[in-house]
Amino acid sequence: DAMVIQNPRYQVTQFGKPVTLSCSQTLNHNVMYWYQQKSSQAPKLLFHYYDKDFNNEADTPDNFQSRRPNTSFCFLDIRSPGLGDAAMYLCATSSDWSRETSYEQYFGPGTRLTVT
Amino acid sequence: AQSVSQHNHHVILSEAASLELGCNYSYGGTVNLFWYVQYPGQHLQLLLKYFSGDPLVKGIKGFEAEFIKSKFSFNLRKPSVQWSDTAEYFCAVNARRDYKLSFGAGTTVTVRA
Repeated sequence: DAMVIQNPRYQVTQFGKPVTLSCSQTLNHNVMYWYQQKSSQAPKLLFHYYDKDFNNEADTPDNFQSRRPNTSFCFLDIRSPGLGDAAMYLCATSSDWSRETSYEQYFGPGTRLTVT
Repeated sequence: AQSVSQHNHHVILSEAASLELGCNYSYGGTVNLFWYVQYPGQHLQLLLKYFSGDPLVKGIKGFEAEFIKSKFSFNLRKPSVQWSDTAEYFCAVNARRDYKLSFGAGTTVTVRA
């Protein structure tokens, strides 16, 4: 089945220690998104890639970076995690926005990040 | 930018009861509307969506939602819930041809057997 895969599902890192979260997709979608979801809150968009074009949300901290080496993979790098960065990180994909069916986003299972 | 509000933070009901979750959005233009569900320990899944046409849309697992343009609402309904419907439900909206999906805060639904 075509899907969005996130690894690892659970990640523990130390305060200030860089961490990378991974997302891959077999849907061949050209748009990939990263969301942060804290407990009992709505997912918050951090940034997205439209093909190779990176688009950062205005309120995304500089501590968060992303890489997309190819269509299938996208990485979220947190350079110096703080306690406030503990959250679920969701990856999502969608196809070209110019087609109506593109408005649907497909979500991965998420990576739960703990910062100690 | 659009915003989404969900009326209830937590709903508790018994099996076979009817469920209605409210969702209102603020945006004057054409929108796409979604309801996502997140079962415990699982990823967000699409329940149903509205782009255009019949304002009453049917989704998976017996859910339906009605788009009322004049009220900027997209309420989710299920006539008879099951224990397995225990989950968090998110309403989401994006402006037509906009990448950004705005989510409501979510409603936790607990169904007691």
